[in-house]
Amino acid sequence: GDSVTQKQGQVTLSEDDFLFINCTYSTTTYPTLLWYVQYLGQGPQLLLKVTTANNKGISRGFEATYDKGTTSFHLQKASVQESDSAVYFCALVSSNTNKVVFGTGTRLQVLP
Amino acid sequence: DAAVTQKPRYLIKMKGQEAEMKCIPEKGHTAVFWYQQKQSKELKFLIYFQNQQPLDQIDMVKERFSAVCPSSSLCSLGIRTCEAEDSALYLCSSSQSQNTEVFFGKGTRLTVV
Repeated sequence: GDSVTQKQGQVTLSEDDFLFINCTYSTTTYPTLLWYVQYLGQGPQLLLKVTTANNKGISRGFEATYDKGTTSFHLQKASVQESDSAVYFCALVSSNTNKVVFGTGTRLQVLP
Repeated sequence: DAAVTQKPRYLIKMKGQEAEMKCIPEKGHTAVFWYQQKQSKELKFLIYFQNQQPLDQIDMVKERFSAVCPSSSLCSLGIRTCEAEDSALYLCSSSQSQNTEVFFGKGTRLTVV
C-alpha cells in the first residue's frame, strides 16, 4: 500500500542553520505530495504541495522537489528561525484510497 | 485559510464516561477525516467520510467509537466508554474532493482521568 517515511524523529538546529528533513514515499499511483507544519497547540496546516513530478514547491522560504526517480520529497530551508520550531509532516494524497497518507513527523527545534 | 471548526477545544472525562466532540468542515468540502494524535507526534487515522458516508475506519473505531456526519456541515466523533489511553488530541480535517489536500481544525484535546 501507500506509505510515507520520515526517518528523522527530531532535528535540533541553531538560528540561520540550513534545514533538511528527509521524506521518501512509496505508491503505485501518481500522487500529490505535501508538507504540513504543526505549531504547538494548533492543528497541522498545509505548508506546500506539488502535483507534478520534477516540480518544486516553495512557501515561506521552505522548498521541496518532487523527485520521482528517488521517490523523495525532502524539505529544505536555507536559514531557519526560532519561529520555525514545529512538527513537520510529509504526506501524499493517494488516488488508490482517496486518503492522505502521513509520515510520522519530524520535530524541529531551533535554538536562539 | 481554511476554516474547520472543532468543539470543544478541551474535554475532560473520567474513565468509563462517554465523550463527544464535534467538527464543522470547511463549507463545500465533501470529505471528512478524523485523526488521533498523542504527544504532538504521529497522526493516527481513525475514520473517513465521503459525502457523509463512512468509507473507511480502523477497528478501534468500529469497536469503541461512534462517528457520524448527519449533514455536510456537522460531524461528530464519540467514545462510548473512555479509557486512559484515549487521552489525545483529536483532529478533524476536510477536503474539497477526493485526491486533494486536507485542512485541519485546531483539535479537541481529550484527557481521561
